Amino acid sequence: QKEVEQNSGPLSVPEGAIASLNCTYSDRGSQSFFWYRQYSGKSPELIMFIYSNGDKEDGRFTAQLNKASQYVSLLIRDSQPSDSATYLCAVTNYTGTASKLTFGTGTRLQVTL
Amino acid sequence: AAGVIQSPRHLIKEKRETATLKCYPIPRHDTVYWYQQGPGQDPQFLISFYEKMQSDKGSIPDRFSAQQFSDYHSELNMSSLELGDSALYFCASSFGGRFNEQFFGPGTRLTVL
Repeated sequence: QKEVEQNSGPLSVPEGAIASLNCTYSDRGSQSFFWYRQYSGKSPELIMFIYSNGDKEDGRFTAQLNKASQYVSLLIRDSQPSDSATYLCAVTNYTGTASKLTFGTGTRLQVTL
Repeated sequence: AAGVIQSPRHLIKEKRETATLKCYPIPRHDTVYWYQQGPGQDPQFLISFYEKMQSDKGSIPDRFSAQQFSDYHSELNMSSLELGDSALYFCASSFGGRFNEQFFGPGTRLTVL
């Protein structure tokens, strides 16, 4: 079992709809949670990060964290075709002076016209 | 804003050759991370450096070595290249090492023939 689990998709949503991406993690010691967007052949681009239980909003994006359930989600409101990409969930567990990211396999999002 | 710089962007090598990948972090960032991403896979952590000292080590083969220099740039040296080393290699940087978000460079695509 992977440490970070995501549904690989594809998740297909119509333009203007809300896309909901989910992620679960197995290490209860995980402390920080990140969502990256990755277009094919490109590098991961940081969208959101969250440390505390609850919601965090940034523009069209909302990250939600529930540490008790070991669950992180990303909501994308008013989805646009340009949002079509793979969304990677990543977690860190502080083990030293630099916290490595452990990634899920990503969810491919398709926003249809 | 300045981003992480990686060079070269593309590299083609023969089996058993050596390769050196370079990474220049975002100015004032003191932590560098290296990740390897195979086709259709999520990024896998290789190694990290904080203030020019190795901080954490992941699934990095013994054939690979890395260091961070006094100007904070980092180099990943890969020897006795194998076909399976063909992948995207990303460098990421952060400020402070712990909890802080990591920003990825554009990556180096290594092809081993």
